[in-house]
Amino acid sequence: KQEVTQIPAALSVPEGENLVLNCSFTDSAIYNLQWFRQDPGKGLTSLLLIQSSQREQTSGRLNASLDKSSGRSTLYIAASQPGDSATYLCAVLTGGGNKLTFGTGTQLKVEL
Amino acid sequence: SQTIHQWPATLVQPVGSPLSLECTVEGTSNPNLYWYRQAAGRGLQLLFYSVGIGQISSEVPQNLSASRPQDRQFILSSKKLLLSDSGFYLCAWIRQSSYEQYFGPGTRLTVT
Repeated sequence: KQEVTQIPAALSVPEGENLVLNCSFTDSAIYNLQWFRQDPGKGLTSLLLIQSSQREQTSGRLNASLDKSSGRSTLYIAASQPGDSATYLCAVLTGGGNKLTFGTGTQLKVEL
Repeated sequence: SQTIHQWPATLVQPVGSPLSLECTVEGTSNPNLYWYRQAAGRGLQLLFYSVGIGQISSEVPQNLSASRPQDRQFILSSKKLLLSDSGFYLCAWIRQSSYEQYFGPGTRLTVT
């Protein structure tokens, strides 16, 4: 059974700092890995999708890497801003390409 | 472009009452559709998924059920709600070309 873990559970940083969020998964037979952002009381917004054959993806100040063999992914946020405050979730797609398994998330707070 | 709708946005229901949550997707045909629940302090739990009209797969035993009466409509139901059914319910669809998953705005259900 696939299990996804995210560390840390919560993180508070000053504005402008670069930061790294970690995600690990137990079964390396994945189709892809997706990073999401969730604001309080809202749905999930897709940030980055990394296919199993890829090593990294970039979008603006965000960079996500994938090491499938070791079961790890990182989300790098450059020059953090208060608007980046949210919960960040990673999820892996396995099982015939139909089902996502989610981590429990990292709650990020960027302070002025 | 594709859009996913959910309603109602919030719902307060007494224990033992019925439930019907609706999800519709626009701008795509024959999508895979998903229902997730996010309980307070817990991660996202996949409840049901559907690969086509009338085709429903259940992930966890519970007093909830799902139906897909039309290609782009997914309904979550219960005949008698329990306190433990409280949570944030999210509908999602998956893009078949990339297996990237997109989420609706969610329904906050409080069972009293």
